[in-house]
Amino acid sequence: SQQGEEDPQALSIQEGENATMNCSYKTSINNLQWYRQNSGRGLVHLILIRSNEREKHSGRLRVTLDTSKKSSSLLITASRAADTASYFCATFPFSGSARQLTFGSGTQLTVLP
Amino acid sequence: EADIYQTPRYLVIGTGKKITLECSQTMGHDKMYWYQQDPGMELHLIHYSYGVNSTEKGDLSSESTVSRIRTEHFPLTLESARPSHTSQYLCASSDPRGPYNEQFFGPGTRLTVL
Repeated sequence: SQQGEEDPQALSIQEGENATMNCSYKTSINNLQWYRQNSGRGLVHLILIRSNEREKHSGRLRVTLDTSKKSSSLLITASRAADTASYFCATFPFSGSARQLTFGSGTQLTVLP
Repeated sequence: EADIYQTPRYLVIGTGKKITLECSQTMGHDKMYWYQQDPGMELHLIHYSYGVNSTEKGDLSSESTVSRIRTEHFPLTLESARPSHTSQYLCASSDPRGPYNEQFFGPGTRLTVL
């Protein structure tokens, strides 16, 4: 089953508003990463948060991690039309001989001008 | 933009054809990956490689095969394409010396099999 599940599946907001996306996962992780994908393109790495971190900022992005609830959130402040894309969380497991990133199902964000 | 390239970007072919999707990176990364992604859906890992002459199957069973003869090149081959292979194929790479396994993605190949 999928390690990461994003919520909501789709989100539509007005330009200037904040967008919040959530990710839940099932097993212990070393880190959690957020990626962005524009329509028909590859993914671009946005931000990484390690399991011993609770919050991280990068420009207009704010990521939180709650390992007790196995959940993370991505906040995009003052959204722009150019932020329209799909956003995926990906978890890197804490242990295992063949550790790989596991991607969630994504949140489709639409920012209306 | 990451230095990872995929060709072709779009491919429409008939059933039964043999195809090779190309992926190359200039970052010197040892680890490379192939994902399959249907529109609006999650990514599924189908193949990965730890380095030259290393290939492993991913979580999603795939009829495709891969090879890794050079560090920078990781082509994916379908011997006999079928309509069920219609999807987007994403190639990625990462530096195993880095502790966090951040991946860099190519632009993808959108494959349509008629």
